Amino acid sequence: AQTVTQSQPEMSVQEAETVTLSCTYDTSESDYYLFWYKQPPSRQMILVIRQEAYKQQNATENRFSVNFQKAAKSFSLKISDSQLGDAAMYFCAYRRGSGTYKYIFGTGTRLKVLA
Amino acid sequence: KAGVTQTPRYLIKTRGQQVTLSCSPISGHRSVSWYQQTPGQGLQFLFEYFSETQRNKGNFPGRFSGRQFSNSRSEMNVSTLELGDSALYLCASSPILAGGRSETQYFGPGTRLLVL
Repeated sequence: AQTVTQSQPEMSVQEAETVTLSCTYDTSESDYYLFWYKQPPSRQMILVIRQEAYKQQNATENRFSVNFQKAAKSFSLKISDSQLGDAAMYFCAYRRGSGTYKYIFGTGTRLKVLA
Repeated sequence: KAGVTQTPRYLIKTRGQQVTLSCSPISGHRSVSWYQQTPGQGLQFLFEYFSETQRNKGNFPGRFSGRQFSNSRSEMNVSTLELGDSALYLCASSPILAGGRSETQYFGPGTRLLVL
């Protein structure tokens, strides 16, 4: 069975600084997707970034980038130039490449941004 | 395009009652999934539907059921409510791309259910 682990329950970062959130996963599949979702206090889950396992290039979306290490089964999220609006719960999620649209989520990391 | 909508947003029920939650996916999305979010168990998969068929079901008791209509709207039902069913219930929809593949789920705002 696939599992997703986020070992940092909470992280803090100064405004304008850079922070990295960790995620590891376990799977025997070769075809899968990885995601980072943000859940602010409104509880709306917002897609931050996604990565296809077959792509070696790390995904980037503006201030958000990932470090995808397929052999190590690691998928960390780097947030650059942190803003107050980045404060939220961040969830790492795994999805098989086909056969199901089911996500497996990690337990989340609460990110605090200090002014 | 309008996002995923869920109704109602908040609900208070008592033990033993039943509840029906509704989800309208993004226009054109044919896949709908449901998740339960609690502080203790985190985000757990309930079930997913595609073309009115349940494709997968999570590890939840039979009190939890769902269905999908021909317009892709989905409902989930919980019968004989228990205190532990208090949670945020999230619905997510996915587009189906060429070859039947899909990547990303887009989430609704959730329905917060409180069971007293």
